[in-house]
Amino acid sequence: DQQVKQNSPSLSVQEGRISILNCDYTNSMFDYFLWYKKYPAEGPTFLISISSIKDKNEDGRFTVFLNKSAKHLSLHIVPSQPGDSAVYFCAASAPGAGSYQLTFGKGTKLSVIP
Amino acid sequence: DAGITQSPRHKVTETGTPVTLRCHQTENHRYMYWYRQDPGHGLRLIHYSYGVKDTDKGEVSDGYSVSRSKTEDFLLTLESATSSQTSVYFCAISDSGLAGGRPNTDTQYFGPGTRLTVL
Repeated sequence: DQQVKQNSPSLSVQEGRISILNCDYTNSMFDYFLWYKKYPAEGPTFLISISSIKDKNEDGRFTVFLNKSAKHLSLHIVPSQPGDSAVYFCAASAPGAGSYQLTFGKGTKLSVIP
Repeated sequence: DAGITQSPRHKVTETGTPVTLRCHQTENHRYMYWYRQDPGHGLRLIHYSYGVKDTDKGEVSDGYSVSRSKTEDFLLTLESATSSQTSVYFCAISDSGLAGGRPNTDTQYFGPGTRLTVL
């Protein structure tokens, strides 16, 4: 049972426009969410995170929105740049037993077209 | 960038042979993790460590063992490699800045990965 879902395997966006990557989760115990970015042949790098006590977190061009009632989060990149082309993973964690574990989605490949 | 290295970076081996992958960190972080990444599955946790000699299983631990004899090193061993273990393996580290803090609310930093092919 997939607890973190990224339903769009790929996304293409024109340079300068907004990229919106979506993530849905099913486990209501998740209370901390992260986005990672991964280039080919490299390890994932942390991008931005959000706690469930917030509904928005911004860091430069990157904003994460959390809708707890819908169990949905999204990553907005504005403006999109060619260097943003990568695979983006959504991840979530819950308190309690197994709290060391991050549960990852399958990833969305973003292509920013110059 | 966090000081995390993985060795080897690439390995080809045959079914039934033992394989050990090494993760080395220079950050003195308490927590270390091994993940595997496969097409269609994202990243899945194999084992993790919350201190020297303290390890536990993750989501996909069957066929794998780990050891951590020093803070800086976390070894992943495939006792008898199988073709289903062909994958890219990532090590990650994290640390709790506050006493009693949850380790998974701290950023996990990933190594560059090891591509393992089992023929």
